[in-house]
Amino acid sequence: GNSVTQMEGPVTLSEEAFLTINCTYTATGYPSLFWYVQYPGEGLQLLLKATKADDKGSNKGFEATYRKETTSFHLEKGSVQVSDSAVYFCALKGSSNTGKLIFGQGTTLQVKP
Amino acid sequence: SAVISQKPSRDICQRGTSLTIQCQVDSQVTMMFWYRQQPGQSLTLIATANQGSEATYESGFVIDKFPISRPNLTFSTLTVSNMSPEDSSIYLCSVGTGTGPGEQYFGPGTRLTVT
Repeated sequence: GNSVTQMEGPVTLSEEAFLTINCTYTATGYPSLFWYVQYPGEGLQLLLKATKADDKGSNKGFEATYRKETTSFHLEKGSVQVSDSAVYFCALKGSSNTGKLIFGQGTTLQVKP
Repeated sequence: SAVISQKPSRDICQRGTSLTIQCQVDSQVTMMFWYRQQPGQSLTLIATANQGSEATYESGFVIDKFPISRPNLTFSTLTVSNMSPEDSSIYLCSVGTGTGPGEQYFGPGTRLTVT
């Protein structure tokens, strides 16, 4: 079945450092891929998405490229801020029309000033 | 994107009791979902709330424990029945359009503690 694997956290960075959070997936067909962010005490927010191979999703300085050859959707940001401290979830929606999302286990990012 | 509200935002309940969580959306949506997020964990789908018919439950979740209603396209409820401390979690509802990339939008969640 479909699954999503994220790198283990927590990830601790200094402000202005480069961020990469790895995400790989297993799915049949052509899934859609998403990154969600959960700030402390808040619900999940959609950060970015990509629907087909080589698509790049971007938002708020974050980027992720849909790599079908490596089944990956790594999240990157060139210069993180303290306000980026949150839990980041990679997710996929499979080719079926059930609408279900499969989530990775989440990666906690802590950015220190 | 839709605006989603949930009530209550948090509650502390005694074991053996039941709690009903409400999810209200500001527009009609095709798909509504209920998730559980246990402390420090990822999201697990409980069920898809179907308008006008019984919910579709995921493996490991049953209607007797988590009855769901969806009387119209903007509202759903999830009841957590006969609660135990293991039910302490954040419960989130989400909505999807059912078309396009398939992203979902989430409510703020209900933080449930069972003592």
